[in-house]
Amino acid sequence: RKEVEQDPGPFNVPEGATVAFNCTYSNSASQSFFWYRQDCRKEPKLLMSVYSSGNEDGRFTAQLNRASQYISLLIRDSKLSDSATYLCVVPFTPTDSWGKLQFGAGTQVVVTP
Amino acid sequence: ETGVTQSPTHLIKTRGQQVTLRCSSQSGHNTVSWYQQALGQGPQFIFQYYREEENGRGNFPPRFSGLQFPNYSSELNVNALELDDSALYLCASSLANSYEQYFGPGTRLTVT
Repeated sequence: RKEVEQDPGPFNVPEGATVAFNCTYSNSASQSFFWYRQDCRKEPKLLMSVYSSGNEDGRFTAQLNRASQYISLLIRDSKLSDSATYLCVVPFTPTDSWGKLQFGAGTQVVVTP
Repeated sequence: ETGVTQSPTHLIKTRGQQVTLRCSSQSGHNTVSWYQQALGQGPQFIFQYYREEENGRGNFPPRFSGLQFPNYSSELNVNALELDDSALYLCASSLANSYEQYFGPGTRLTVT
């Protein structure tokens, strides 16, 4: 089993709709989680950090379910510019504070007009 | 833009050759991490450098090696290139004790 698993998608979403997708992680001791966004052929960029039960930033909401070991990302009122691959990220070791990160393979979101 | 730069942008090498990739970290960042991203996959952690020493390594063979210089810039060296080494190589800089990493645009390596 991979350390971090994601549904690859693509999730095809009409503009203005809501989309949500999950990421499962294998290490129950993991304490911090991140969502990165990666545009085609570009570098990943930090979207959100999740340290407790969840986090909200504008149209983006991340939720953590420790019992089931998954993190979700919800995007409301989708914009065309939200089209990207969303990478779920967990530190290499649960107590690692030095940013050695494990990435999932990513979930592709395509927002259509 | 993050302020992290990488060179070269693209590179084509032949199997068995050696390659050196370079990264300049964002101003003030003393930690540099390297990742390999194969097509359709997420980035895979290669290793991290802090104060010119390796500070953690992922599941990569010893032919992947690195350096960090006093100005915090870094190099990734790969010896005896294999076809599977074809990937996007990403450098990320950060402050020590920070999860927030800033990625450079990457170097796309093709091994033929």
